[in-house]
Amino acid sequence: LAKTTQPISMDSYEGQEVNLTCSHNNIATNDYITWYQQFPSQGPRFIIQGYKTKVTNEVASLFIPADRKSSTLSLPRVSLSDTAVYYCLVGDHSGGYQKVTFGTGTKLQVIP
Amino acid sequence: NAGVTQTPKFQVLKTGQSMTLQCAQDMNHNSMYWYRQDPGMGLRLIYYSASEGTTDKGEVPNGYNVSRLNKREFSLRLESAAPSQTSVYFCASSFPEGNQPQHFGDGTRLSIL
Repeated sequence: LAKTTQPISMDSYEGQEVNLTCSHNNIATNDYITWYQQFPSQGPRFIIQGYKTKVTNEVASLFIPADRKSSTLSLPRVSLSDTAVYYCLVGDHSGGYQKVTFGTGTKLQVIP
Repeated sequence: NAGVTQTPKFQVLKTGQSMTLQCAQDMNHNSMYWYRQDPGMGLRLIYYSASEGTTDKGEVPNGYNVSRLNKREFSLRLESAAPSQTSVYFCASSFPEGNQPQHFGDGTRLSIL
């Protein structure tokens, strides 16, 4: 199982762009990279998923370099409501998520 | 559309008591999962069910049993609760095909005294 390493915490001012990094040096060929957001007292919520290069949706962008050993989640113009824990997951989910593990995540604190 | 619903939301047990945590999903997902989350940590997989009628152990199955009652429902049972099982329990579901994300419930907060 590919393991991930994320910074424990990050602070950002409201309105700034935030880049959250994740290291996954032993990522396998069939592994995808998925990011989840978790608010206190709630379950994780899917943000974005990718395999290589760049993926963008209405809330975030995911940048994956050619060697796929790391990834960066970019949140444009964060607001106070973006304060949460962000998890980077790496694994082969072709048959389900039983082979995909959670790390400890990055706690993002947005400051007014 | 409720998504993934877990009951109860909170529970306090005494050591040695038994309890069943309930989970139901209305998204017609084939796969369902039970995780536990301890303070400051990520989620760890307890058991999963790839499809109706099948269940398998995850990373931390000891002290737990599961039942996939039908396609919608997946329950987690603690036969003899221990303080080490104090945690927040999350149920999730997904399609088995790739590129389809998991959907999580809002958790059951379980304290064992």
